[in-house]
Amino acid sequence: DAGVIQSPRHEVTEMGQEVTLRCKPISGHDYLFWYRQTMMRGLELLIYFNNNVPIDDSGMPEDRFSAKMPNASFSTLKIQPSEPRDSAVYFCASSLGTGYLFFGSGTQLSVL
Amino acid sequence: GESVGLHLPTLSVQEGDNSIINCAYSNSASDYFIWYKQESGKGPQFIIDIRSNMDKRQGQRVTVLLNKTVKHLSLQIAATQPGDSAVYFCAENIGGGADGLTFGKGTHLIIQP
Repeated sequence: DAGVIQSPRHEVTEMGQEVTLRCKPISGHDYLFWYRQTMMRGLELLIYFNNNVPIDDSGMPEDRFSAKMPNASFSTLKIQPSEPRDSAVYFCASSLGTGYLFFGSGTQLSVL
Repeated sequence: GESVGLHLPTLSVQEGDNSIINCAYSNSASDYFIWYKQESGKGPQFIIDIRSNMDKRQGQRVTVLLNKTVKHLSLQIAATQPGDSAVYFCAENIGGGADGLTFGKGTHLIIQP
């Protein structure tokens, strides 16, 4: 298995622009998680899905952030409009629901 | 506030020595604990996990110890190698992991030649 696949690996954009991050979970995993990593706050859970349904989005910082999972093999995290403080590494992870999470390589987002 | 934390942000050890990375957690209801390794530019990678009904678990060159009395978790790495240089995170969960993990801030392990 190729593991959790995220794209793009790096994204540089200007403040106010829309950013879309993409994730393909491991086949057969029915849980998908979006995390954000910064030096100040570490790894924070933003939202997670079970069987494509959002279960807990309490970690989403504000309405500018949205996430979707249209099918079992694809999820997106969108930021509109983006701001410099959104600069971080965004990780997608998947799991079978019990046990540990498998993480992707992350998307390094820089908002200028 | 942070329910999982680490005592030392940076740990430097000599190659070949054993390393011990510590972690404190505050939620006594947590029943599942995981150690992750994160190398520069990569996502966290699973190392070893332990459930609250155990106090010790061993893997290849790694051992995790859980002390529920004082809410303390440690990761022991035997005979450290240059490839062990990374940031190590402990993570906790209630209920086995289904609703995501709470991560500590991480300890940077540096292996000296």
